[in-house]
Amino acid sequence: QKEVEQNSGPLSVPEGAIASLNCTYSDRGSQSFFWYRQYSGKSPELIMFIYSNGDKEDGRFTAQLNKASQYVSLLIRDSQPSDSATYLCAVRGGTDSWGKLQFGAGTQVVVTP
Amino acid sequence: EAGVTQFPSHSVIEKGQTVTLRCDPISGHDNLYWYRRVMGKEIKFLLHFVKESKQDESGMPNNRFLAERTGGTYSTLKVQPAELEDSGVYFCASSQDVLAGFYEQYFGPGTRLTVT
Repeated sequence: QKEVEQNSGPLSVPEGAIASLNCTYSDRGSQSFFWYRQYSGKSPELIMFIYSNGDKEDGRFTAQLNKASQYVSLLIRDSQPSDSATYLCAVRGGTDSWGKLQFGAGTQVVVTP
Repeated sequence: EAGVTQFPSHSVIEKGQTVTLRCDPISGHDNLYWYRRVMGKEIKFLLHFVKESKQDESGMPNNRFLAERTGGTYSTLKVQPAELEDSGVYFCASSQDVLAGFYEQYFGPGTRLTVT
């Protein structure tokens, strides 16, 4: 079992619709959760982070965290063609490795005009 | 504010040769990380510096890899001798004071290493 799991996609989303991305993690001691966007051939770009259970909104993006279910999600509202990218879920562990991020393989999102 | 920079952007070397990758973190970021993505796999952690000290090097694959961060500023990652399986994209990231709760890591553009 991978430590951070994401559906690889591609997730096809019509322009203007909501894209919903899911991520599960295995380490119950995980403390912090991050969503990165990566365009092809580019570096990961941090778009959201969440540390507490519940929702966190930033512009068109909403991150949701449920530690009991070991689940974190990202919603992209009013999806635009420029949102087409691979979205990486990353999880920071507990006290043993407090700096290390563990990444999922990423979900490819394709926004169609 | 300048972001994380890495040099070179690409490197093609032959098996058995040595390559040194450089990373300059965001100014003022004490924490510096190296990650690697090999073809078709997820990004994997290599190691974590806090200033000039190695905080966690649990991801370093073997003793052919040597990371340094003299003076607590830029870092180098040397691969000697390089093997075919070392090919991939090497990312550097940095973050502010983790102990103060700043856990967000900002990534550089990466160095694409090809070993032939």
